[in-house]
Amino acid sequence: QPVLTQSSSASASLGSSVKLTCTLNRGRTSYIIAWHQQQAGKAPRYLMKLESSGSYDKGSGVPDRFSGSSSGADRYLTISNVQSEDEADYFCETWDSDTQVFGGGTKLTVL
Amino acid sequence: QVDLVESGGGVVQPGRSLSLSCAASGFTFSTYSMHWVRQAPGKGLEWVAVIASDGINTYYGDSVKGRFTVSRDNSRNTLYLQMNNLRPDDTAVYYCARKGGVGQLPIDHWGQGTLVTVSS
Repeated sequence: QPVLTQSSSASASLGSSVKLTCTLNRGRTSYIIAWHQQQAGKAPRYLMKLESSGSYDKGSGVPDRFSGSSSGADRYLTISNVQSEDEADYFCETWDSDTQVFGGGTKLTVL
Repeated sequence: QVDLVESGGGVVQPGRSLSLSCAASGFTFSTYSMHWVRQAPGKGLEWVAVIASDGINTYYGDSVKGRFTVSRDNSRNTLYLQMNNLRPDDTAVYYCARKGGVGQLPIDHWGQGTLVTVSS
């Protein structure tokens, strides 16, 4: 089954950019993933679907400063002009025929 | 807009059962597959189960297989999760979530979650 690996933490200064990484396990470089954001004490929120080509499709209301890209087994979430409300946990998600998988999540701290 | 509202959480003793519900609105419920996902306190997201739009096909995570049952009532726009033989490590916030449509699509909407605590 697919496995997603994420760094446990990241930090970014207010107004800067940050790039979060989600890595697929070997043999699954073609997999589509999704990024979700979870602010403290809240339910997750869908951000975008991201394909191996780097093409992404964002959810309704997701700010323009969120974008996605891909390289091999890596899927990236880039946040430009980081705002205080971007401080959150970010999870990636993928799936196989009969199972859904989440990465361990990256906790983003805004300095 | 899409709205998913879970209910039924609470405190239950180990070995007992509990049933969760998720009321859906704002979309044609009967045409979407639905997931249950849980999150233990301070931990990440763990997929629990999925049910196809027609309710025929269901799949489960290894940690709940044989103990949990997902079902749906499309006439009531409601998703269910029957949880039997509960264990302390089932303690978590349980979210219902909508799969984004037919084909290779991820979860695109989440409920607000309901907390299940398994403790004696």
